[in-house]
This record gives sequence, structure tokens and C-alpha cells, in this order.
Amino acid sequence: GESVGLHLPTLSVQEGDNSIINCAYSNSASDYFIWYKQESGKGPQFIIDIRSNMDKRQGQRVTVLLNKTVKHLSLQIAATQPGDSAVYFCAENIQGGSEKLVFGKGTKLTVNP
Amino acid sequence: GAVVSQHPSWVICKSGTSVKIECRSLDFQATTMFWYRQFPKQSLMLMATSNEGSKATYEQGVEKDKFLINHASLTLSTLTVTSAHPEDSSFYICSARSSREQYFGPGTRLTVT
Repeated sequence: GESVGLHLPTLSVQEGDNSIINCAYSNSASDYFIWYKQESGKGPQFIIDIRSNMDKRQGQRVTVLLNKTVKHLSLQIAATQPGDSAVYFCAENIQGGSEKLVFGKGTKLTVNP
Repeated sequence: GAVVSQHPSWVICKSGTSVKIECRSLDFQATTMFWYRQFPKQSLMLMATSNEGSKATYEQGVEKDKFLINHASLTLSTLTVTSAHPEDSSFYICSARSSREQYFGPGTRLTVT
């Protein structure tokens, strides 16, 4: 699910399968990363986060992996359900004069029953 | 979790008029609020960062005279789109930060005719 251009990449899976959504971030100094889920017409919903001093973090049915060497982040969803269908964004917390969250381009996940 | 509200949830206005969008943190005080804009099938783009009682910091390419931001209290920030044009039609999402956590509002759909 790498992002290219303005079109959202898509990922289609069968209900019950595991999903892996990928994200490349831009700033090697970013210290904190978050995955969000966005359903149509709604604001982003927090899923899971990870700090830059960690490689992996697990939540309920979700796991985030961080590879700082190649500036890559992934979200794994176990036993994907139809309710998981949404657009998923990674965001990086950029340090500087003021901290701010910058979003990646997103991946649209469709779960087929 | 903390709640951020936006009002209105959707608005239609005529070209050349101005429209104000409110963002409120309902159960916490937010020293910093953020405004994002999202076009269809695209990611959230940070427009500006506002700190209570001071001028907003705008991202490169965002016109400060067109998108007026006021952060008058620790629970309220407003975004005014002045002299709106059809190309300003978008989904505007605010976010409020409390200590290290950042919470998102449900978004406001603006349509300029």
C-alpha cells in the first residue's frame, strides 16, 4: 500500500484474513507515529501509536512496526472484519519550532464478507 | 476519551461570502489547536497551528488573509474562510492537543456554490 500521486492506494482482503498497510514517512527526526482510521465523512480516529525508541507495539488485533532505517511504518490488522473497512493514515509528529502531526497519503481498505 | 466538536458539520455558502467554523474541546483545555483541510480521496493537509492568545502559524502556501484563525480561549478556535470560492470547497478538520495527546474533531463539509 505505498502511496503514489494523488490517488489513494487500495487494499482488498477477505473477512478473517490479516491486513498489512504500509506507510513511508519523511522526517528522520520524527519522534512519534500514529495510525488513524477514517470512515467516510468523519474525522480521523486514533488506532495505535508508537514512539521512535520502539520497533513494535501491539494493541487489540492491531500491531504497528517501525523501521527507522528505511523510514517505514506498517499497520497489521489481524482477523480483518467488515467494520475495518475505511481509509487508514499514518501520521508523524514533527519536532521543530512547534510540534505538528503530518499525515501520509492513506490507504483505502476494503474487507469483503 | 477526550472530545472535540465542530460546528457546523456542513455548510453551503455562495461564492464571495465568508463562513466561520468553530472547534471546541469539550472536556479538556487545549493550548494548541490545528486546522486541516482534506480534498476528496486525499490526505489531511495541515493548514495552520494556533496557540491560545497568540497569532496562528500558517503552513507554506496557505493564505493567512483568506483563512482567518482565532484561538480566543483554551477551549475554542475558529476558522473563517473569507471571500469563499468554489475551490475552497473541502472537508475542514480541527484538532486539539492536550499535553501530549491530540484529538480530532468530526470535520466540517464546506461547499461553495
